[in-house]
Amino acid sequence: GENVEQHPSTLSVQEGDSAVIKCTYSDSASNYFPWYKQELGKGPQLIIDIRSNVGEKKDQRIAVTLNKTAKHFSLHITETQPEDSAVYFCAAITGNQFYFGTGTSLTVIP
Amino acid sequence: NAGVMQNPRHLVRRRGQEARLRCSPMKGHSHVYWYRQLPEEGLKFMVYLQKENIIDESGMPKERFSAEFPKEGPSILRIQQVVRGDSAAYFCASSRLQGWNQPQHFGDGTRLSIL
Repeated sequence: GENVEQHPSTLSVQEGDSAVIKCTYSDSASNYFPWYKQELGKGPQLIIDIRSNVGEKKDQRIAVTLNKTAKHFSLHITETQPEDSAVYFCAAITGNQFYFGTGTSLTVIP
Repeated sequence: NAGVMQNPRHLVRRRGQEARLRCSPMKGHSHVYWYRQLPEEGLKFMVYLQKENIIDESGMPKERFSAEFPKEGPSILRIQQVVRGDSAAYFCASSRLQGWNQPQHFGDGTRLSIL
């Protein structure tokens, strides 16, 4: 099955700086890569996703890049704000299942 | 509220009792997924259901766990004879279209505590 690794496990940045979270996957058949933000006591919220036929996607301050050859994808958050503080999960989807990374706890310091 | 609704938000059970967790998908969504999340860990897939059908239950423990999504009403995840190790957050997600590569929208989960 698929194996998704996520780094770093914790990340602290100053407000206004950028944050980058990276994930690698093992199954070359994986074709859909969503990112979720989970706040304390809440469920994961889909914030951006990318499919295997696209290399980059951007939505305001959030962007995701995908390198199919190297089998890794990254979440980029620019101009971070305190409300960006949360746990972020990547996921890789093969034909028949979601595989989640272990999460990155992001803290944005005001 | 048009989001995925889960109830109860918190559930406390004693060892040996039964736990029933409910999930109402987003309006217009007919695909439901259940996940379990242990503290400090990511989500682990349990089961994928459509109305009246179990599509994939490869993540479900072989004993004590069952799930259904009837023609009418919410999806139910049922855990019989609960043990301490069942303590976790259980999340439900729904999607509008069939297929694993469709966006899944999550509820806020049920926190199950076993005394």
